[in-house]
Amino acid sequence: GENVEQHPSTLSVQEGDSAVIKCTYSDSASNYFPWYKQELGKRPQLIIDIRSNVGEKKDQRIAVTLNKTAKHFSLHITETQPEDSAVYFCAARRNSGYALNFGKGTSLLVTP
Amino acid sequence: DGGITQSPKYLFRKEGQNVTLSCEQNLNHDAMYWYRQDPGQGLRLIYYSQIVNDFQKGDIAEGYSVSREKKESFPLTVTSAQKNPTAFYLCASSIAMNTEAFFGQGTRLTVV
Repeated sequence: GENVEQHPSTLSVQEGDSAVIKCTYSDSASNYFPWYKQELGKRPQLIIDIRSNVGEKKDQRIAVTLNKTAKHFSLHITETQPEDSAVYFCAARRNSGYALNFGKGTSLLVTP
Repeated sequence: DGGITQSPKYLFRKEGQNVTLSCEQNLNHDAMYWYRQDPGQGLRLIYYSQIVNDFQKGDIAEGYSVSREKKESFPLTVTSAQKNPTAFYLCASSIAMNTEAFFGQGTRLTVV
């Protein structure tokens, strides 16, 4: 399948700081980009998504930006809290079918 | 209570045995997917189905089989041909292309 590259693989920030996770994708036909949060042993849950007809979307402390020309998108979390600690996955919808290609994940640790 | 349900939560299998993982959804979603999750590997697509009685191979289909006889159900069989089956398996579903994928709680399969 088409690749989605995600960086960094681990990220440690202090409570109240911002966290940024970046992803690039290779399938130029992709037009849907969700972000999932997964706590240990739990299912991934959608936290925000963006479609290709917009460049930015915000939901309280979470925002996502998309640059279709450069084929990259980023997750921004402001005013981080310890409960934000989890693994975050970016994804891009495949051109064929409805399945998602996932990045390898970023383990975020927010220390008090 | 609507959602997507996987069973069992934990499964142990002896080498050489086939095992079937259950996935049921009552969300009336057309599309269903199976992903495999290994540490540091993200989620990799095994099989997907966009409609009843039709399914497609994903990136790592070897050693797996599926069926889609009902809209609500998409069971995954891990066969003895799968060389390294120990992993966390996640089932998901979605309405259509640019919409959220909902995940089940996962099945952790261990080969003993």
